[in-house]
Formats: sequence, structure tokens, C-alpha cells
Amino acid sequence: DQQVKQNSPSLSVQEGRISILNCDYTNSMFDYFLWYKKYPAEGPTFLISISSIKDKNEDGRFTVFLNKSAKHLSLHIVPSQPGDSAVYFCAASEYGGSQGNLIFGKGTKLSVKP
Amino acid sequence: DGGITQSPKYLFRKEGQNVTLSCEQNLNHDAMYWYRQDPGQGLRLIYYSQIVNDFQKGDIAEGYSVSREKKESFPLTVTSAQKNPTAFYLCASSPGTGYGAFFGQGTRLTVV
Repeated sequence: DQQVKQNSPSLSVQEGRISILNCDYTNSMFDYFLWYKKYPAEGPTFLISISSIKDKNEDGRFTVFLNKSAKHLSLHIVPSQPGDSAVYFCAASEYGGSQGNLIFGKGTKLSVKP
Repeated sequence: DGGITQSPKYLFRKEGQNVTLSCEQNLNHDAMYWYRQDPGQGLRLIYYSQIVNDFQKGDIAEGYSVSREKKESFPLTVTSAQKNPTAFYLCASSPGTGYGAFFGQGTRLTVV
């Protein structure tokens, strides 16, 4: 049973527009959420995180929104660039991430077209 | 440069053989992890270690073994008991709360 779900396997966006990647979770004990970006045959790289005490966290072009009541988070990329084309994984953990054993979604492949 | 190093990048083994994947970090992180990625799947946790000489099973530990004799090193052995060992293996480390995990470049294991 998947605790972290990314229901869109792929997303295509025009350069300069907004990309919105969605993630849902079922475990109400999760209190720390992260987004990772991954290129083929490489390890994921950390993008941005959010604690459950917040509902928004921004870092440059990347913003993560958390809706705890809906158990939903989203990653907004504005403006989207061709170099953003990659697979994006949503991850969640309990205990503020201190135990680090993250639960990952299956990923969403983002394609940004010039 | 600080980072996590996995070696080799590609590994081929015959069915029935054990194989050990290397993971070394010089980030002084206490926690280290092994994940497996299969096509169309997210990353699934195999084993993790919060401190030297201690480790716990993740969601898919069967057929794998680990050791954590040094803080810098967390090798993963894929044993012949692992029914479907061909996959992309990722090692990660973490400094603790609020930092998530930092990943190595991965090892693609192919068993023929």
C-alpha cells in the first residue's frame, strides 16, 4: 500500500510557464516532506523540503506548498526551464526527518519544451 | 571535495553469486541508507544505519546484508537469495533532522 503517491507519471510544460507537480500521502504521522530531482543513471539531488509546521517554503524558482488537512503537497517551478526536465520524486518521513528513512513516491517525469 | 561515492557505476554478475556494492562518504554524516530503484517505481529502502555498528532493515531487506564498521562506509551485499537483484542501487547519507538525504551517483547491477 503506497503511503506516498504521485499520480501523474509525466507532465509536459512550455518553457517559461509554471510547472506544478503533485503529491499525496496517507500516513498522518509524516511531518517532513522533501522533493528530489533525478536525471537518468544519477542519484537524486535534494531540491526543497517543508516541515509540517509550515504550509509554504520557497527557494528561488521552487516553492513547495503543504495542505495537511488534504494530505497533499505540491511543487511549483516558476518559470520552468528546459534544464528542469527530469524525474521529480516526492518523499516523506516521520520524526522531522531525523531517522531519515524516507518514503518515496514513484516520481513524475517533467518535460519542459523550449 | 565532500560527497558520497558509490562504486562501481556498472556491475555485472552471474546468477547465484554474491556481490558487494561500495558506498563511502566523507561528509561526517552519522546516518547512511541503501535504496533500490526499479523502472516505474519510487526508491525503496533496503537498509539504513543511524550510527556505527548498528543498522536496521528497511522495507525490502530480504536477500541483502550490510555492515557499518566505520562511519564513512556502508557496503551492501546482494546475496544469491535476492530473487530479482537487477536494479539501480542508491546509497545516501544524512546529517540529521531537517536535511533530508544526500545521494551517491548509484550503481547499476545486472545479474545474468
